[in-house]
Amino acid sequence: AQTVTQSQPEMSVQEAETVTLSCTYDTSESDYYLFWYKQPPSRQMILVIRQEAYKQQNATENRFSVNFQKAAKSFSLKISDSQLGDAAMYFCALSWTNAGKSTFGDGTTLTVKP
Amino acid sequence: ETGVTQSPTHLIKTRGQQVTLRCSSQSGHNTVSWYQQALGQGPQFIFQYYREEENGRGNFPPRFSGLQFPNYSSELNVNALELDDSALYLCASSPGTSYNEQFFGPGTRLTVL
Repeated sequence: AQTVTQSQPEMSVQEAETVTLSCTYDTSESDYYLFWYKQPPSRQMILVIRQEAYKQQNATENRFSVNFQKAAKSFSLKISDSQLGDAAMYFCALSWTNAGKSTFGDGTTLTVKP
Repeated sequence: ETGVTQSPTHLIKTRGQQVTLRCSSQSGHNTVSWYQQALGQGPQFIFQYYREEENGRGNFPPRFSGLQFPNYSSELNVNALELDDSALYLCASSPGTSYNEQFFGPGTRLTVL
């Protein structure tokens, strides 16, 4: 069985500042994929960033980057230069087969203060 | 290119009834996954369909069933509804089972009274 834990139910950040969302996971597989998704209040979930476990280099997408620590089974998301539009629920997810069979954490609600 | 769509947006049912939720996958996508997202929780994987066949199932009872049609649209059927079935049901499609990205629809909010 695989599990994903997000220990921060809520986080807040000042506009233009940096915030880091935490995620830990557990899996017995050696090869797997990790994802961060954003779910705004309108509900449609979108992919923010993904990381293949076999890649040592941390993934980056514009203002979003991850800190992937495979040995520690940790996968945090850093959002730089936070914008009001970043306010949403963020989910960490794990899959060892394909993205469509992912295990999700319970999410972190991010508030961005102007 | 049309994204993933789901219908209806909301519906209300009573305990013991049956419900069918529908999903149209993104153009060119042959793989559809269904998730249940209870209030305040993350999505839970129900099952996945690939080319009209079930391709994996999460920890849900048999009263949760699905179909995928030749045009790759999909249905989720839930029989004998229980109060705990109240949730947002999400559908996600992808171009194949080895693809590591999925595209979500807006969801159907089901309330069971």
